[in-house]
Amino acid sequence: DAGVTQSPTHLIKTRGQQVTLRCSPISGHKSVSWYQQVLGQGPQFIFQYYEKEERGRGNFPDRFSARQFPNYSSELNVNALLLGDSALYLCASSQRAAATGPQETQYFGPGTRLLVL
Amino acid sequence: AQSVTQLDSHVSVSEGTPVLLRCNYSSSYSPSLFWYVQHPNKGLQLLLKYTSAATLVKGINGFEAEFKKSETSFHLTKPSAHMSDAAEYFCVVSDRGGKLIFGQGTELSVKP
Repeated sequence: DAGVTQSPTHLIKTRGQQVTLRCSPISGHKSVSWYQQVLGQGPQFIFQYYEKEERGRGNFPDRFSARQFPNYSSELNVNALLLGDSALYLCASSQRAAATGPQETQYFGPGTRLLVL
Repeated sequence: AQSVTQLDSHVSVSEGTPVLLRCNYSSSYSPSLFWYVQHPNKGLQLLLKYTSAATLVKGINGFEAEFKKSETSFHLTKPSAHMSDAAEYFCVVSDRGGKLIFGQGTELSVKP
C-alpha cells in the first residue's frame, strides 16, 4: 500500500506570494494533520481535519488555511508568504480522528520543502 | 499543558555500542508518548509508542523505550548501534485532541 504522499516535493516562492500544498492520506485513513518543521526544530502542529471538518488548529496566523476533500485528501494554503514561512511542511494521516484516542498513530509523508525568497 | 524535553541535542556513539536518547515529559494526565525518527531529507517514521499497556515498549529496528512515571521519563535505548541508525530522533507527546507535540530533537551520530 502507498504511504502518505505529498506534492510538490520542493517549492520556491517570493515574499507576498501564495502557495498550495497537497496531501493524499493512506487509503482508508480519514484524518489528516499538517505540521511545519523549521530547520533545526521539531515539527509544529498547524491543522487537523477529520471527515472534512477542522478538528484542531495550532498557533498559526490566519494566512494559513486548509481544507479536506470528500476523498480525504487535503490542501494547505499559505497567503502573503513571509521569509519565516520557509520550512518543511509535513502531512500526517490516521485512520480515525486523533481525538478518538490520543494514541492513534499518525503516519507522515515525506514533506514539501518550501523556500521563500 | 503537555510538553516534552529532549535532554541532549546531539549524541555520538561508536558502531556496536549502546544508544541512550533521553526524554522527559510533562502531562496533566496519563500521556500517550511516541518516538519518531527522521533520516536526512525524509519524512518521520514511527519507532514505537506508549499507550499505557506496558511500561517497556519495543519498537522497530531493535529500539525500545521505558515509561517511568515517577521520573516522568521515556528514554529510548538500543543495545548496539548500527551506522544506519544515524538520524534525528524526536520524542513526542499527544494531547487529548490528538495534536502531536514534538521535542526539539536529538541528532544521533554513529562512528565506524
